Amino acid sequence: AQRVTQPEKLLSVFKGAPVELKCNYSYSGSPELFWYVQYSRQRLQLLLRHISRESIKGFTADLNKGETSFHLKKPFAQEEDSAMYYCALRDQGGKLIFGQGTELSVKP
Amino acid sequence: DTGVSQDPRHKITKRGQNVTFRCDPISEHNRLYWYRQTLGQGPEFLTYFQNEAQLEKSRLLSDRFSAERPKGSFSTLEIQRTEQGDSAMYLCASSVTGGSYEQYFGPGTRLTVT
Repeated sequence: AQRVTQPEKLLSVFKGAPVELKCNYSYSGSPELFWYVQYSRQRLQLLLRHISRESIKGFTADLNKGETSFHLKKPFAQEEDSAMYYCALRDQGGKLIFGQGTELSVKP
Repeated sequence: DTGVSQDPRHKITKRGQNVTFRCDPISEHNRLYWYRQTLGQGPEFLTYFQNEAQLEKSRLLSDRFSAERPKGSFSTLEIQRTEQGDSAMYLCASSVTGGSYEQYFGPGTRLTVT
């Protein structure tokens, strides 16, 4: 079965602390994975995708096929990073399969 | 082009009534997706179109739900005989096809069934 799991509903850190939002997936083919972010009162938007291997707003995510994980990391959290983060898998047909989401709260 | 738009943004209806939502995708995007999001959950796929053809429907999409994209531009999602369990945020997204395309999301329509 195709599934994305984000084990943490809420992650609370202090400004400047490292952040890791966990994502594990189950998929029988070659996965395409994404992180989407939703800031307060804004629409869902793409943060980064695994194939581009880029860093956006200081965030990176590495696909680990052995552990079937795609964790999102940032070395130094900022208050403006507070948002809902969703890990998503795109299947062969093109639809996205989302995890339950993790709310990141960065305290001053 | 200001991105994907959805109308209405909020809808309150009584159980048993029919409701219809509209989605206008980004103009050059030929794919259009509908998702549903309930409180505390991530978006769940409902259906998608490539141009005017509906290519996939989720098992979540009961017979009371129907979606159309008659001219390959805007799309409508209708729910007949609404139930309280239909209360959710209905999201629309659009994309181009080919390559590693990004899905752009609309602001959503929040449905409350009383």
